[in-house]
Amino acid sequence: DIVMTQSPDSLAVSLGERATINCKSSQSVLYSSNNNNYLAWYQQKPGQPPKLLIYWSSIRDSGVPDRFSGSGSGTDFTLTISSLQAEDVAVYYCQQYYSTPFTFGPGTKVDIK
Amino acid sequence: EVQLVESGGGLVQPGGSLKLSCAASGFTFSGSAMHWVRQASGKGLEWVGRIRNKANNYATAYAASVRGRFTISRDDSKNTAYLQMNSLKTEDTAVYYCARFVVVNDYWGQGTLVTVSS
Repeated sequence: DIVMTQSPDSLAVSLGERATINCKSSQSVLYSSNNNNYLAWYQQKPGQPPKLLIYWSSIRDSGVPDRFSGSGSGTDFTLTISSLQAEDVAVYYCQQYYSTPFTFGPGTKVDIK
Repeated sequence: EVQLVESGGGLVQPGGSLKLSCAASGFTFSGSAMHWVRQASGKGLEWVGRIRNKANNYATAYAASVRGRFTISRDDSKNTAYLQMNSLKTEDTAVYYCARFVVVNDYWGQGTLVTVSS
């Protein structure tokens, strides 16, 4: 199974400042035949289901604000919130969908400083 | 509008069984794979398993923690996916979400709570 790790476990950022979350997979999730990274990012707020933010490591889902961006390839990925807003307080998860089981990272909690 | 509505959760004793349903609407259900993901209270997301569509022979896959105890099925005529859970353990207590998979898990239901306790 592919093991996903995230860092940090939590972070507090001032409103308007940048938040950066890292995700690492135990093996590459880059599929060479199509050059796609099978890596997604989700946002989850209390009492709500996860919401898809990013797929193919860097493609924003429809309606996701452009302050959210994803980058990385192979085994190392980053989710960046360029200017943190109050509504971005949540837990963020990465997930690989390269091979089953489609494992999630442990999550990173983002708060306002 | 895509909608996924889970049902069937509740309280069950260890060793018991429960069957969850996921009713879908607003998209071509028969063309989509469907996944189940669970979340214990205060914990992270755990992928449970998936069933692919008819074109992919309704292939299933499961997490090691549930393999042999849980079974995913679907009825395309009813636009519904199912999660049959047998030999339930206390550690299976969680909110269970179903999610559509088209390229990625893009739509999720609100979840249904399963509590395994004596």
